Amino acid sequence: SQQGEEDPQALSIQEGENATMNCSYKTSINNLQWYRQNSGRGLVHLILIRSNEREKHSGRLRVTLDTSKKSSSLLITASRAADTASYFCATDARMDSSYKLIFGSGTRLLVRP
Amino acid sequence: DSGVTQTPKHLITATGQRVTLRCSPRSGDLSVYWYQQSLDQGLQFLIQYYNGEERAKGNILERFSAQQFPDLHSELNLSSLELGDSALYFCASSVGITGGQPQHFGDGTRLSIL
Repeated sequence: SQQGEEDPQALSIQEGENATMNCSYKTSINNLQWYRQNSGRGLVHLILIRSNEREKHSGRLRVTLDTSKKSSSLLITASRAADTASYFCATDARMDSSYKLIFGSGTRLLVRP
Repeated sequence: DSGVTQTPKHLITATGQRVTLRCSPRSGDLSVYWYQQSLDQGLQFLIQYYNGEERAKGNILERFSAQQFPDLHSELNLSSLELGDSALYFCASSVGITGGQPQHFGDGTRLSIL
């Protein structure tokens, strides 16, 4: 079952605009990660935010985390056509003697040139 | 380039057959994860190995099995294939097994069952 649910499911914007994607999760977490997946390719890790952090930046990416609302958002500023991809949030779940990542359903982002 | 290599990229086979998917993790990574991605189920965790040992099991069918070899490469074996097994199968690797580690994904094997 999915731990995270992304919103919106799909987003279409013009190049240069900002894109905001949201992720909600169900159980308490130690950290949350965001990944990007280009069509037909593997997932690429973008950023990790820990439960004691509220905001984190990496280049044009800004991630926020609100543990009280069990939600996170990913903001891509000044979007480019190359940002067209699916974006997933993922949370750790303790399993057996290790951890697994539980991925959300993803947001499909289309950036129009 | 993630450093994770998966072969083959595409696989077409028939129902009832058996296939083996192979994964070489990023240099230095000891953990290997297998995922299945389909349109209706999303990205599902199947199984994890760490330094040759199975460490976590997810929604993996009994018809599926995996192993990690001493050189750390891993294989996912799928048998008695059904139409519903058609999906993208990803391998990912990370340094260890503690939480909060980024996983590095290969480009997947697209399995099509005819």
